Amino acid sequence: SSELTQDPAVSVALGQTVRITCQGDNLRSYFASWYQQKPGQAPVLVIYGENYRPSGIPDRFSGSSSGNTASLTITGAQAEDEAAYYCNSRDSTGNHLIFGGGTKLTVL
Amino acid sequence: QVQLQESGPGLVKPSQTLSLTCTVSGGSIRSGGYYWSWIRQHPGTGLEWIGHMYYSGDTYYNPSLKSRVTISVDTSKNQVSLRLSPVTAADTAVYYCARVFLNYEVSCLDPWGQGTLVTVSS
Repeated sequence: SSELTQDPAVSVALGQTVRITCQGDNLRSYFASWYQQKPGQAPVLVIYGENYRPSGIPDRFSGSSSGNTASLTITGAQAEDEAAYYCNSRDSTGNHLIFGGGTKLTVL
Repeated sequence: QVQLQESGPGLVKPSQTLSLTCTVSGGSIRSGGYYWSWIRQHPGTGLEWIGHMYYSGDTYYNPSLKSRVTISVDTSKNQVSLRLSPVTAADTAVYYCARVFLNYEVSCLDPWGQGTLVTVSS
């Protein structure tokens, strides 16, 4: 299968830890990357590869992978982390990119 | 710092051609190791990869759009272009361009342009 599956919505209390997951068979071969998108804005890369953060991304964001599941963890969620989060990777050919359906994170 | 800016008509009639340009500043399209991609987002929904291209010509398209899409690069203008034809109302979306890093196990898009809304309507 060349699909990436995410939970549509997740909530977390302010200051607590939340894990957002992305499942897909191809994640056994390829790392997922993660993007944060706030309303009316373009997506922003927050995690890529094994667990790398682009410059300017807070260290409360981290990534991990096990089997067919990739995870984005926010340790100590802040109000400004409320956004949609998308994972992306490659399809079974390795030549095409695919996105998960996105997870809407609510910070309570 | 590389920046991307999409431009093009905001309204296209059904059956016609959608044409968008992405202007890259702060870096060269010929920078080694990067592809240049188009992605779209239908209103209120998720992200859909359209395709990407290396400056030398290596190009890949979403199989669901391949018959209607052309991505091209103009290295003299440092621009990436998208053509989609013919369009229907289902092609109404925000269109983004992004730089793509690819190696044997990682794919990531960074940075992204701000996006441009294209509405298909008569």
